Amino acid sequence: NAGVTQTPKFQVLKTGQSMTLQCAQDMNHEYMSWYRQDPGMGLRLIHYSVGAGITDQGEVPNGYNVSRSTTEDFPLRLLSAAPSQTSVYFCASSYRVSQETQYFGPGTRLLVL
Amino acid sequence: AQSVTQLDSQVPVFEEAPVELRCNYSSSVSVYLFWYVQYPNQGLQLLLKYLSGSTLVKGINGFEAEFNKSQTSFHLRKPSVHISDTAEYFCAVKSLGNNDMRFGAGTRLTVKP
Repeated sequence: NAGVTQTPKFQVLKTGQSMTLQCAQDMNHEYMSWYRQDPGMGLRLIHYSVGAGITDQGEVPNGYNVSRSTTEDFPLRLLSAAPSQTSVYFCASSYRVSQETQYFGPGTRLLVL
Repeated sequence: AQSVTQLDSQVPVFEEAPVELRCNYSSSVSVYLFWYVQYPNQGLQLLLKYLSGSTLVKGINGFEAEFNKSQTSFHLRKPSVHISDTAEYFCAVKSLGNNDMRFGAGTRLTVKP
């Protein structure tokens, strides 16, 4: 199993540009989530999904969209990038939504100029 | 909503000394508690978790944590640290009935020779 994979590893955007961060898992996990990590603030939940076709907002959803058309994939879209979205983004998955351990991808480092 | 406070942002310690990383949580319902570790330029991986039962939880790499409901704490301990334990450690909480997990701001543990 490859586990949780994320692409790209690093991206530079200009303000106003859009892009999609890709996340995939091959463990047949129901639950997938996106976090952003900023210095001194830990990880903050952006969006999550409890299964294909079902998504919900987390703590900091503004400026981001998600969809879950398949169990494996959970892309995160930045509609119009802003410097405040400069961060490291992590995707995670777990077998069920409840108390299961989350498995994290390696992260995507995003710089918005 | 649940929340987590990690009381120390940085903890320097000498090799082979004991260490305690402190974590307090807030929730109006029962919780699941987790400690994750992040090595430089990597994603997070689970150290240990408390779901129910014994309040002393043992994890990987010799770490353990104790759930204290009256103090709403879940402190992480290791009796003797190694240089390789240098990393950032995150405490996380998930309340029963909620689909999201909240992370603390992180504690950077630096082990010096």
